[in-house]
Amino acid sequence: GESVGLHLPTLSVQEGDNSIINCAYSNSASDYFIWYKQESGKGPQFIIDIRSNMDKRQGQRVTVLLNKTVKHLSLQIAATQPGDSAVYFCAEPPGTGFQKLVFGTGTRLLVSP
Amino acid sequence: ETGVTQSPTHLIKTRGQQVTLRCSSQSGHNTVSWYQQALGQGPQFIFQYYREEENGRGNFPPRFSGLQFPNYSSELNVNALELDDSALYLCASSFVGIGTEAFFGQGTRLTVV
Repeated sequence: GESVGLHLPTLSVQEGDNSIINCAYSNSASDYFIWYKQESGKGPQFIIDIRSNMDKRQGQRVTVLLNKTVKHLSLQIAATQPGDSAVYFCAEPPGTGFQKLVFGTGTRLLVSP
Repeated sequence: ETGVTQSPTHLIKTRGQQVTLRCSSQSGHNTVSWYQQALGQGPQFIFQYYREEENGRGNFPPRFSGLQFPNYSSELNVNALELDDSALYLCASSFVGIGTEAFFGQGTRLTVV
């Protein structure tokens, strides 16, 4: 069945390092993916999205890479800052005609000074 | 700030009771989705409302029900509360269409004792 999962539950980095958060998906027909950031006590916040006709998309300090061959996507955060500490989710709308999002468990990013 | 507001922010209920959670959508959005997020997990889709009708439902029992009002605000009702219903309940508003960004509220933390 469809699933969106994450490889690592926790990632600890030093301030200024680059962070890479990974996500695997199982549905080869998936054509749209979203990364969300969730800070403690808040709802998920949209970071960046990517469609399956793209391999890479860049935003401000973030880059998402999509490898359709191995059904894997990653979120790269450049020059990680303490404010980036949060749980990051990849999410996928299964495309069933309405906007349901399937979330993975999440990766907690801890940034130390 | 996403413009999506939820109330109350925290709530404690006793097993067997009923609860109503409320959500005000972002201006211009016509679709509201509700998610349940257990501690340490990703959000799980409960259901979605579009034009005041349920427009898709996740794997939740009928004691989870909802309403959408003409102003696109929404309520989530849960009857016969169980201990496992303790979670963060998130509301997300969007404009109908696959791939349209969903904006989340800060959530309601429900504790069932």
